[in-house]
Parts: sequence; C-alpha cells; structure tokens
Amino acid sequence: EAGVVQSPRYKIIEKKQPVAFWCNPISGHNTLYWYLQNLGQGPELLIRYENEEAVDDSQLPKDRFSAERLKGVDSTLKIQPAELGDSAVYLCASSLGGNAYEQYFGPGTRLTVT
Amino acid sequence: GNSVTQMEGPVTLSEEAFLTINCTYTATGYPSLFWYVQYPGEGLQLLLKATKADDKGSNKGFEATYRKETTSFHLEKGSVQVSDSAVYFCAPPGGTGGFKTIFGAGTRLFVKA
Repeated sequence: EAGVVQSPRYKIIEKKQPVAFWCNPISGHNTLYWYLQNLGQGPELLIRYENEEAVDDSQLPKDRFSAERLKGVDSTLKIQPAELGDSAVYLCASSLGGNAYEQYFGPGTRLTVT
Repeated sequence: GNSVTQMEGPVTLSEEAFLTINCTYTATGYPSLFWYVQYPGEGLQLLLKATKADDKGSNKGFEATYRKETTSFHLEKGSVQVSDSAVYFCAPPGGTGGFKTIFGAGTRLFVKA
C-alpha cells in the first residue's frame, strides 16, 4: 500500500513569490493534516480536514496561506506571497480519524525562501 | 484544557543503557496515546500506541504503559542502541478529544557507542 505522497520534495523560491505543495493521502483516510516543522522543533498544525471540510484552521496564517481539499482526497497548500520566515519543512499526514488511529506522515516538502 | 507534556531533552545515553522518557497527560476521559519517532533526516512514524487505560504498547524493544493512576505514558527501553538516536514525540489523537496541540518539541535522544 502506498504511503502519503507529497510533492515537490524540495523547493527554493525568492521571497514574495507564490508556492504550492501537494499531498495525496493514504487511500480511505478521511482525515488529512498539514503541518509546518522548523528545524529542531516538533510539527505545528496548520490545518486539519475531515473529508473536504476544514475543521481546524485556527493556526493557518490566512493572510498568505490557503489550502483546499476539494474532493476529500488530495490536498494543496499554497503560500502567496512567501516570506523568508516561511522556510521550513511542510508535512502532510493522514489518518482514519477518530480517537484510536495514528497519523501517517509523508516525507515532507523542504521549502527555502531566499 | 486537555494536554500532553513530555520531558525536555536532549537525553544522552551510552549504548545498552536503560531509557525512560516521561510523558504525562491531562484529559477528560481516556484518550488514545501515541509515541512517534523521527530519525535524522526522516519523517515522523508511529512507534507505538495504547488505545485505553492499562494498555501496553510495544515495538522495536520500546514499551509504554497507559497508566490512569498517574496519568502517564512513559516510554521505556531496556537497552538502547546507537540506531535509536532520534527525536521522540508523545502525542494525543490528532485533533480529537479537545487537545489543542498535537505535538510538542519532542525529546531528542543521543546514544553513544
């Protein structure tokens, strides 16, 4: 069974440019998460989806970040415009949801903003 | 609100030493609890879990028992190896049960040969 797929794996952009990350969760996983992970820190939740509904986006900086999961399967996270401080690893995870189920993480996208 | 707290690192041990990483929780009811591990340069992966009180999760020689009396889920291993060097995260369910934060900073473990 394929795991969580993310692309691209690496991205280097100049500040003020837009960037998008894509995630395809494990088949059948209704819950999808986007996290940001800075070096030496734990993942910080940006947004959580239950199917196509964003049920927790309280930590998403909505002035520049947006996300969508239109058909309740794959998802896109966008930053526009990017700032130097956005340099980090962006992780996608999926889960069957609910209390008992663990999250499965993708390999992440390492973003460098210059 | 509900929360999970784990000991800060880094933890440095010699090979074959005993490992304990403390994790305690505050919650209404008994949520599932998870230990995740992140090896250098890799993504997070589940190490073990316990879905109810008094459960013991185990994997790769690591164990953790969900103890409701002490509201704890400490991670233990009897004899660590260099290959266990990683960052370990104690975590609640992802977004359910009233937990605002899923992952803290984790505990970094260094094992010396």
